[in-house]
Amino acid sequence: EGQLVESGGGLVQPGGSLRLSCAASGLTFSSHAMSWVRQAPGKGLEWVSGISGTAGSTYYADSVKGRFTISRDNSKNTLFLQMTSLRAEDTAIYFCAKQPPTGLYYALSWGQGALVTVSP
Amino acid sequence: EVVMTQSPATLSVSPGEIATLSCRASQSVSTHLAWYQQKSGQAPRLLIYGASTRATDVPARFSGSGSGTEFTLTITGLQSEDFAVYYCQQYNNWPRFGQGTRLEI
Repeated sequence: EGQLVESGGGLVQPGGSLRLSCAASGLTFSSHAMSWVRQAPGKGLEWVSGISGTAGSTYYADSVKGRFTISRDNSKNTLFLQMTSLRAEDTAIYFCAKQPPTGLYYALSWGQGALVTVSP
Repeated sequence: EVVMTQSPATLSVSPGEIATLSCRASQSVSTHLAWYQQKSGQAPRLLIYGASTRATDVPARFSGSGSGTEFTLTITGLQSEDFAVYYCQQYNNWPRFGQGTRLEI
């Protein structure tokens, strides 16, 4: 099933930028579409962005479109989320998630999450 | 936009009993429906996909049913480790989650 480990979270001011990484191990990384899902403190889950196994297709929630960029480096088994123009409402735990080989948008497994706090 | 609505918000059940959780979609999602379990401080865990297929290593006491707009997660013989928050998620369109059902003792 493999392991997913996020990093890069932290405190950032409104309008700032942050880059999250997700290191994958124990799986054939390039065979899986990958996504980022977030959870605001005490709230529910929101699918943020997804990317195909070859990185040929990317998808974004309307709430982050134009501000966030998802990418991946299959040679390093790593998924990224570049976040710019951050807002207070982007404060959340960001989970990376592995999708099935079919590419369908449900999450087979999840990382432990990285906390992003947007505050002055 | 497909809106997912879960009921009830909180369900109180005793160990050993049966829990029935509901999820309704605002439009048909066929059987493109998944269920997740989330315990406090942990990442979600996939339980069910395709509305009724159990994920790897998920105990048989968890079962999913439904299609179209009405879905159910049933947990029989509740055990202490089952008390958590459960989310449904449709993936027929852009993936969206329900607001969750808290299952408590």
